[in-house]
Amino acid sequence: DAKTTQPTSMDCAEGRAANLPCNHSTISGNEYVYWYRQIHSQGPQYIIHGLKNNETNEMASLIITEDRKSSTLILPHATLRDTAVYYCILRTGGGNKLTFGTGTQLKVEL
Amino acid sequence: EAGVAQSPRYKIIEKRQSVAFWCNPISGHATLYWYQQILGQGPKLLIQFQNNGVVDDSQLPKDRFSAERLKGVDSTLKIQPAKLEDSAVYLCASSLVPGQRTYEQYFGPGTRLTVT
Repeated sequence: DAKTTQPTSMDCAEGRAANLPCNHSTISGNEYVYWYRQIHSQGPQYIIHGLKNNETNEMASLIITEDRKSSTLILPHATLRDTAVYYCILRTGGGNKLTFGTGTQLKVEL
Repeated sequence: EAGVAQSPRYKIIEKRQSVAFWCNPISGHATLYWYQQILGQGPKLLIQFQNNGVVDDSQLPKDRFSAERLKGVDSTLKIQPAKLEDSAVYLCASSLVPGQRTYEQYFGPGTRLTVT
C-alpha cells in the first residue's frame, strides 16, 4: 500500500468545521482512501472511505481531489469528543491490510 | 451488537516472563487481526487469521511471539520471553472476510503491556 502524509497536529474550536488534509501523491488507480480515528485509550474506529467521488456519512465528509493525489476529511461541527488521532490509509479494493502511519492529532478546544 | 472483547486490559510483567492476551471477535467475523501499538506510533499488524488459518504473519517476531485461533473464533497472543521493547498496547480487530470489497475492521479496546 502506498504512503500518505499528514500534519502531525491540528487544533479546532468546538462547533467549527475540522478539515484534516492528507497527501497521497503516489496513489494507484485501485487504491481507496480510508480514514480511521483513535480516541485516547481506545482502539481505532472506522470513519469513512472513498475511491474518487466525494463521500458523506453521519460522521464526516471525504473530499478527494480530481487527480486523487490528496484528500480532506471534514468534521462539520467538531465537538470535544472528536479529539483523537486521525489516520489516513490507502487500501486496495478487496485488500485487507491496514498500514497505519502516525496520523494527525486533532485537539478540539472550547 | 457486541464489540470485540479483549482481556486483560492491563498487564505488568518483568522481562523474561511470559504473558498471554485473549480476544473474542464480533460474532460472524471470520477474519481476526492482532496489532502492536508502541507509544506515539500507529498500530502495526502482527498477524492476520482467516477462520483458524494464518493469512499474514510476516511481521510477527516468531522467536518469541505466537498466536492461535482454535475453532476459528477466539484467539490468544503469547509472548515468551518478554523483552522491554515489547511494552505496547496490543489491539485485536475483526472483520468479515475481504473479497471483492474491503470490509471495515472493528477494534477492541486493547491490552496495555508494561515490561519492567
